[in-house]
Amino acid sequence: SQQGEEDPQALSIQEGENATMNCSYKTSINNLQWYRQNSGRGLVHLILIRSNEREKHSGRLRVTLDTSKKSSSLLITASRAADTASYFCAHAWGKLTFGQGTILTVHP
Amino acid sequence: GAGVSQSPRYKVAKRGQDVALRCDPISGHVSLFWYQQALGQGPEFLTYFQNEAQLDKSGLPSDRFFAERPEGSVSTLKIQRTQQEDSAVYLCASSLGFLKGASGNTIYFGEGSWLTVV
Repeated sequence: SQQGEEDPQALSIQEGENATMNCSYKTSINNLQWYRQNSGRGLVHLILIRSNEREKHSGRLRVTLDTSKKSSSLLITASRAADTASYFCAHAWGKLTFGQGTILTVHP
Repeated sequence: GAGVSQSPRYKVAKRGQDVALRCDPISGHVSLFWYQQALGQGPEFLTYFQNEAQLDKSGLPSDRFFAERPEGSVSTLKIQRTQQEDSAVYLCASSLGFLKGASGNTIYFGEGSWLTVV
């Protein structure tokens, strides 16, 4: 499998804290995308970072990309209980290949 | 509708039965993808269409799996002689452009079709 790896597999934090999730991949990429999935629902696109970008922000989300280390991180600042979900990174090179995901639980 | 639509949302099939899962992509989207997601896992790529052409079917797990997109819009994923290990969520996604060679195409996913084989 060409799937990337994500860590941690599960993360439990209190509301208001920041959450950081990491992702690694093995191939060349055009871009890397982060998705969110609530239990029993489809994938919701959060943010896309191109291979020539190093950092991108969207609201409370901050994504970094280090192509030399083939890794990315997603930071969610000032987390809320509604952020509880699974988060997946996916790298694009002809097709989108997903990691195993991080289960984030934000306690109110 | 504005998003990717999949039907049925839930399907229970008896082992050995054939099933067909439908995907209506976002209007005008050239690229269409099918993914399989087992419980607690990330989505696994099955196949990719560019308009009506199936350019990559490397992820289809066996010859029991067949996908088509005859007119370049609606797609159907067919699973013949279903087996218990086929139980999963089947996700369809579409994108305006192409992934390869284009660095900025967002892929939009449907809610998935939940298949349970009993």
